[in-house]
This record gives sequence, C-alpha cells and structure tokens, in this order.
Amino acid sequence: NAGVMQNPRHLVRRRGQEARLRCSPMKGHSHVYWYRQLPEEGLKFMVYLQKENIIDESGMPKERFSAEFPKEGPSILRIQQVVRGDSAAYFCASSRGPGNTIYFGEGSWLTVV
Amino acid sequence: DAKTTQPTSMDCAEGRAANLPCNHSTISGNEYVYWYRQIHSQGPQYIIHGLKNNETNEMASLIITEDRKSSTLILPHATLRDTAVYYCIVRVDGQNFVFGPGTRLSVLP
Repeated sequence: NAGVMQNPRHLVRRRGQEARLRCSPMKGHSHVYWYRQLPEEGLKFMVYLQKENIIDESGMPKERFSAEFPKEGPSILRIQQVVRGDSAAYFCASSRGPGNTIYFGEGSWLTVV
Repeated sequence: DAKTTQPTSMDCAEGRAANLPCNHSTISGNEYVYWYRQIHSQGPQYIIHGLKNNETNEMASLIITEDRKSSTLILPHATLRDTAVYYCIVRVDGQNFVFGPGTRLSVLP
C-alpha cells in the first residue's frame, strides 16, 4: 500500500513565479492536510481538505496561497507570485476520516531564488 | 497553540531505552495522545497513540498516567536511526494536529 506521495520533491522558482505542489493521499484516504515547515522551525498547519471541499483553511496566508482537492486527481497547493519567504518544506498528510490518524508524505522543498 | 510541554532535547546511549516525557496537564477526557517523530529532512512519521490505556506496537510503548496529565514514550532499544525530533500531540477526533517544538533526541554511540 503506497504511502502519501508528494511531487515534486524539490522545486526552484524565481521570485514572482507560481509554484504548484501535488499530493496523492494513501489509498482509501479522502482527507488531506497541508503543513509548512520553515527552515529550523516547527510544522505549521495550513489547510485541511476533503474531496471537493475545504474544511479548515485557518492556517493559510490570506493572499497568494490556495489549495484544492478535486474529485479526481491529487490535491494541489498553489502559491502565486512566490517570494523568498515562501522557501520552505511543504508536507502533505492524509487520513481516512476526520477522527483518524494522519500519515505524512516525504515533503516538497520549495526554494525561491 | 500546542497543549503539551516537552523537554527541548535529550540524549540516549545506543541500545538503551529512551524515555521521552510529555506533560499535558490540561488534557480533556476525549483527547487522545499522539506521538510522531521527524528524522532530519523527512516527513513526520506516526509512532503511536492512546486515550487512557498504555499502548505498545512494534516501534514503541506509550505509558499514560492514571490522571492522564502526562505520558512517556518508550523506545526500548534505541538505535542511531532513532535520532529525530519527537512530537507529543493531544487532539480530539476531528481537530487538526498541532505540532509544538518537540524533543530533539540524540542517540549516541
């Protein structure tokens, strides 16, 4: 049973470009969570999605960041007009349901130059 | 904000048991205690969780005090590969997992 798959693992973007990070949850999981980890800092919750619904986006920056989890395909975290401060590791996790354990992917490392 | 308090760092000799404490004095009756760890440059890894009773799996044991105000994660025979940051999280079903700074465990040869 494959784990949570994230891609790309590493992404380099110039300031002002767009970054798209993808997350395929574990088989049978319909809930996805995105976390961000800035260099030498802890994991910060960003957004929680169920298929076609955003359940909690209380941790998302108000501008430039968006997330979706369509009926078909992976969840996408989109960052528009990236700035150097967006450089971080972005982790996706998934669970079967809201009360279940979440399992993380290996992360996507975004570097903005 | 995280509802737990953990030591910033700990050392453990290879082959010995690593006992990682966690205080959660404000835990409510329906909150579970979860443990995750994060090895450098990897995604967090689920270890174990429990509500009231002690739990054991192939990775670790979780000892929860009777009043549930604290718990201890035990790695029975620590190896160098267990060097990681260990996170203790309390959570009600349906809530998000809130990660604090965790305990940086260094397993020494």
